[in-house]
Amino acid sequence: AQSVTQPDIHITVSEGASLELRCNYSYGATPYLFWYVQSPGQGLQLLLKYFSGDTLVQGIKGFEAEFKRSQSSFNLRKPSVHWSDAAEYFCAVNTNAGKSTFGDGTTLTVKP
Amino acid sequence: KAGVTQTPRYLIKTRGQQVTLSCSPISGHRSVSWYQQTPGQGLQFLFEYFSETQRNKGNFPGRFSGRQFSNSRSEMNVSTLELGDSALYLCASSMQTGEYEQYFGPGTRLTVT
Repeated sequence: AQSVTQPDIHITVSEGASLELRCNYSYGATPYLFWYVQSPGQGLQLLLKYFSGDTLVQGIKGFEAEFKRSQSSFNLRKPSVHWSDAAEYFCAVNTNAGKSTFGDGTTLTVKP
Repeated sequence: KAGVTQTPRYLIKTRGQQVTLSCSPISGHRSVSWYQQTPGQGLQFLFEYFSETQRNKGNFPGRFSGRQFSNSRSEMNVSTLELGDSALYLCASSMQTGEYEQYFGPGTRLTVT
């Protein structure tokens, strides 16, 4: 069975600083990989996805992620964080259509 | 195009009661999945429906059930509610089975007292 690990439960960065959120997955083949963001009390918004091809994928809100097969990782990055980026971020893998497996999430706090 | 809608947004029930939650997928989407989100267990997959048939099921007791209608709208039902069922229930839709990109609704916050 696939699994997803987000090693960082909570990250604090200063506004304008760069951000990297880590995600490692466990699966025999290359799964479909996603990053979602969730604001308090809200649903999940899809930031970006990786299916195949170019290992650096661009998403919405200035986010990007890089797939590294050798490290089974799919880390999310943003060059300059804005206060509005404060939220919880989830990495997910999908190997069975309508069934996604999520990491435990990373809460991002942005300092002014 | 309207997003995934879920009703009601908030619900308070008493232990032992049952509850029905509703989800309307994005127009044209035929697959609907349900997830339970709690602080302790995170996001857990409940089940997926496609063309009125359950295609996948997570590890939840039989008290949790669902169905899908011909217009792709879906409902989930929880019978004999327990305190531990308090959670945010999220619905996600995708175009069809085999389409791995899911779009989530805002969720229904269920509180069991």
